[in-house]
Amino acid sequence: AQTVTQSQPEMSVQEAETVTLSCTYDTSESDYYLFWYKQPPSRQMILVIRQEAYKQQNATENRFSVNFQKAAKSFSLKISDSQLGDAAMYFCAYTLGANFGNEKLTFGTGTRLTIIP
Amino acid sequence: DVKVTQSSRYLVKRTGEKVFLECVQDMDHENMFWYRQDPGLGLRLIYFSYDVKMKEKGDIPEGYSVSREKKERFSLILESASTNQTSMYLCASSPRDFYNEQFFGPGTRLTVL
Repeated sequence: AQTVTQSQPEMSVQEAETVTLSCTYDTSESDYYLFWYKQPPSRQMILVIRQEAYKQQNATENRFSVNFQKAAKSFSLKISDSQLGDAAMYFCAYTLGANFGNEKLTFGTGTRLTIIP
Repeated sequence: DVKVTQSSRYLVKRTGEKVFLECVQDMDHENMFWYRQDPGLGLRLIYFSYDVKMKEKGDIPEGYSVSREKKERFSLILESASTNQTSMYLCASSPRDFYNEQFFGPGTRLTVL
């Protein structure tokens, strides 16, 4: 079974600084998708960024980027120029993708990110 | 914008009661999911459905059942609520495409007394 591990239950960063959240996963598959989701306090979970395993190029979305190391099964999220609105619980997630019956996401346990003004 | 709504934000029930949690999505998504979220455990999949009247067990289905009679609606049922089912329940939906990006509802915080 696939597992996703987030080893940092809590992180904090000064506003405007850069922070990296770690995620490792275990799979025997070669083709899959990885996601980072953000859950702000009392608000809905939203997708931050996704990465296709067959793509070597790391995904980037504005201030958010990933470091995808397929051989090491590592998928870290880097947040640059941290803002107060980045304070949230961040979840790493894995899925095999669109094959029928493989639509499930496996989530890590989350990292709570605090932004220090 | 995709919208996933859940019938209640907060719910308080007594042990032994039958509890219905409703989820509705408005983007014609094929897949719908129910998770429970507990501190330190992340999100754990209870059940999911990939089509009307179809359901699949997730990782923790015990004590729960689901119903999907219409494409846009997915219900989670606690047949006889117990205190260990006190949790945050999240519904999500996704289209059947390569990415399976899931769109989440606001969650229902259920307390069983």
